[in-house]
Amino acid sequence: KAGVTQTPRYLIKTRGQQVTLSCSPISGHRSVSWYQQTPGQGLQFLFEYFSETQRNKGNFPGRFSGRQFSNSRSEMNVSTLELGDSALYLCASSGGAGGSYNEQFFGPGTRLTVL
Amino acid sequence: EDQVTQSPEALRLQEGESSSLNCSYTVSGLRGLFWYRQDPGKGPEFLFTLYSAGEEKEKERLKATLTKKESFLHITAPKPEDSATYLCAVQALNNTDKLIFGTGTRLQVFP
Repeated sequence: KAGVTQTPRYLIKTRGQQVTLSCSPISGHRSVSWYQQTPGQGLQFLFEYFSETQRNKGNFPGRFSGRQFSNSRSEMNVSTLELGDSALYLCASSGGAGGSYNEQFFGPGTRLTVL
Repeated sequence: EDQVTQSPEALRLQEGESSSLNCSYTVSGLRGLFWYRQDPGKGPEFLFTLYSAGEEKEKERLKATLTKKESFLHITAPKPEDSATYLCAVQALNNTDKLIFGTGTRLQVFP
């Protein structure tokens, strides 16, 4: 069974640009969550989507947005990039239905560098 | 506020030297406590989920336990390949999958 895939794996952008990251969950999983990982803050929750609806959102500015498609694939977008947005962006998928289905499996991440 | 604290921040062990990692948590109703392993530059790898106090799970040299306030990850006779950062996270009873992570314990095992 294929795992969570994320594209691209690496990105270099300059301040002020925008970026779109993509995540394909494990087949059959309906919930996709996004996290930002930095050395100073660790893993911070960005948002969660379930059946194309945003179910929860973390404490990040409105420049961070996301969406989920009918096939459960998800994208996140960061507009007007700042230097502090440099991080490893991780996507996780789960069955989303509670019980053992809430176990989340992570992709390899997208390493974003903002210059 | 839901919170997770892991200790120690870093741990150096000789191969074969058993030890434990601690994860203390505060959450408004625990749905599950998760342990992950993360290697540099990679995504976290799922290890265990614990759901209720008294529960224990094992996988090779790792054993996770859970109380009402904390979880321990016991590493028995570690090998150099066990070197990684171990992350603990909690999930609350609020019908979402949001994980609240600790800052991790960086484990180094020397031959």
